[in-house]
Amino acid sequence: DAKTTQPTSMDCAEGRAANLPCNHSTISGNEYVYWYRQIHSQGPQYIIHGLKNNETNEMASLIITEDRKSSTLILPHATLRDTAVYYCTPRQNSGGSNYKLTFGKGTLLTVNP
Amino acid sequence: NAGVMQNPRHLVRRRGQEARLRCSPMKGHSHVYWYRQLPEEGLKFMVYLQKENIIDESGMPKERFSAEFPKEGPSILRIQQVVRGDSAAYFCASSPNGGLATGELFFGEGSRLTVL
Repeated sequence: DAKTTQPTSMDCAEGRAANLPCNHSTISGNEYVYWYRQIHSQGPQYIIHGLKNNETNEMASLIITEDRKSSTLILPHATLRDTAVYYCTPRQNSGGSNYKLTFGKGTLLTVNP
Repeated sequence: NAGVMQNPRHLVRRRGQEARLRCSPMKGHSHVYWYRQLPEEGLKFMVYLQKENIIDESGMPKERFSAEFPKEGPSILRIQQVVRGDSAAYFCASSPNGGLATGELFFGEGSRLTVL
């Protein structure tokens, strides 16, 4: 599995965009980039995933570089409830053992009023 | 909106006792996954079960830990003769099918085990 590097922590002002980077330079061609988050004392929550095209859903946007070695999760208008640890994890999307999610330390995003 | 239900949310055990953690998957989901999150560490896969079958237990410690998902009732993660190192948050997740075609796992709120 590809290794990931994320900043330990980030701050963002309420209402502003939060841009969370992730380096995954060893990602393989058939691995998607998944993002989950974990609000304090709760279970992980799926946010978004993508392969090589940029993706957007009701929660966030995902920008993947052309070489796929890094990606950025964008929360367009951060709210206080977005304060959480955000995890980036490359994973195969079909067959095999793609349920073996493994999170590293992630990025603690603190949204300030 | 019945999500993945785990109980108990908090469990305290003394060393040597048994801990039983229960997980009811989302309605319509027949695949259950257990993960462990040690204090200040990331999430790690333990075991994947379908009804009455263990599909993958490669993340389970070799001793004292077992899991089941009977035909009727919730999935159970059982830890025998608990030790302090078992203190952690145990998360259950479910999905409607194997292979995770949509890529999304639905997690419960977790069961926090404290071993004294």
